[in-house]
Amino acid sequence: QLVLTQSPSASASLGASVKLTCTLSSGHSSYAIAWHQQQSEKGPRYLMKLNSDGSHSKGDGIPDRFSGSSSGAERYLTISSLQSEDEADYYCQTWGTGVVFGGGTKLTVL
Amino acid sequence: EVQLVESGGGLVQPGGSLRLSCAASGFSFSDYSMNWVRQAPGKGLEWVSYISSRSTTIEYAESVKGRFTISRDNAKNSLDLQMNSLRDEDTAVYYCAREGEVDYWGQGTLVTVSS
Repeated sequence: QLVLTQSPSASASLGASVKLTCTLSSGHSSYAIAWHQQQSEKGPRYLMKLNSDGSHSKGDGIPDRFSGSSSGAERYLTISSLQSEDEADYYCQTWGTGVVFGGGTKLTVL
Repeated sequence: EVQLVESGGGLVQPGGSLRLSCAASGFSFSDYSMNWVRQAPGKGLEWVSYISSRSTTIEYAESVKGRFTISRDNAKNSLDLQMNSLRDEDTAVYYCAREGEVDYWGQGTLVTVSS
């Protein structure tokens, strides 16, 4: 079964960097994923598609501070030079038979 | 500019029906698969249904199978979700979203199932 696992929460200081992790279930390590951001009381926003080889393509207007990388079944979202508006829920998502979302990581900017 | 605009949400009693629509613009709608995704209050994102570009492949989450029906009209650039036998747990903001990688989202429409 295709499952995405995310830590429920993360925190980092203003101006620092943070790396969020999304883990694909066993047997699915070749899958591409997408990362989405959801700020409080807003709809989700597509950040990027991230392939198993670490290559990624970002959505319209996504700053260079957002980048992606991969290692095995792990998919990462790195946000550098953290700003207050980066405080949000971050979801990873993949697709195959239907669409699958991870549980989301709530990022707090200290 | 890609735009997805949902409509049709509202308050409905348990057991009732509602039809959501999504108007697409700014891209060649008939070339893309589409999804409905929902988010219950205070919860994460939950995929609801998928339809391929020509409607040849349709899939549903187990939680809505047999109650919801997805459809599209490529001539009108529109996507629909017919929701029947609604339950309290269907209360959520419903989003239409483009493609498997969900590269564009609508703004959402709120469905409240309550007596």
